[in-house]
Amino acid sequence: AQSVTQLGSHVSVSEGALVLLRCNYSSSVPPYLFWYVQYPNQGLQLLLKYTSAATLVKGINGFEAEFKKSETSFHLTKPSAHMSDAAEYFCAVNNYGQNFVFGPGTRLSVLP
Amino acid sequence: DSGVTQTPKHLITATGQRVTLRCSPRSGDLSVYWYQQSLDQGLQFLIQYYNGEERAKGNILERFSAQQFPDLHSELNLSSLELGDSALYFCASSVVEGTGELFFGEGSRLTVL
Repeated sequence: AQSVTQLGSHVSVSEGALVLLRCNYSSSVPPYLFWYVQYPNQGLQLLLKYTSAATLVKGINGFEAEFKKSETSFHLTKPSAHMSDAAEYFCAVNNYGQNFVFGPGTRLSVLP
Repeated sequence: DSGVTQTPKHLITATGQRVTLRCSPRSGDLSVYWYQQSLDQGLQFLIQYYNGEERAKGNILERFSAQQFPDLHSELNLSSLELGDSALYFCASSVVEGTGELFFGEGSRLTVL
């Protein structure tokens, strides 16, 4: 069965600092991987997705993620945090037709 | 705007009551998913429909039911409501099953008093 873990339920960074949100998955085969963002009182919005093409995936708002098969990881990064990045971030996995499984989420706080 | 519409946005009701949440998927999307989001349980998959047929079931209680109609809109029915059912209920849609990205509505916030 697929599963997703996100290390750190809450991450705080200073404005302008590097953002690193961790995601590890378990799957018997390389899956499709997604990062979603949820701003307060809103639904989830797709940031980026990995679908077995390039291992470094660029998304919206300056975010990117790297698929590392050997580490079963799909960590999300952004070189310089902005106040508007404060939100909840969810990693999700989908394994060739099985259903989406979401991680528990990481709340990102950006300090001035 | 994701193109997925959910109504109502907010709903307050009493224990023991029944409510219906409605979802209109993006134009052309055949697959509809329902999720429950609560503080203690995170984002939980409830049920998925594809072109009117139930395709997958997650942690959906027997008191809950759903259906997808010929026009592809979906309804989630919650009955015999309990305090613990208070949560944000999301609908999401996708063009294809499984591997397509999900487009989420803004959710229906249910409060059971």
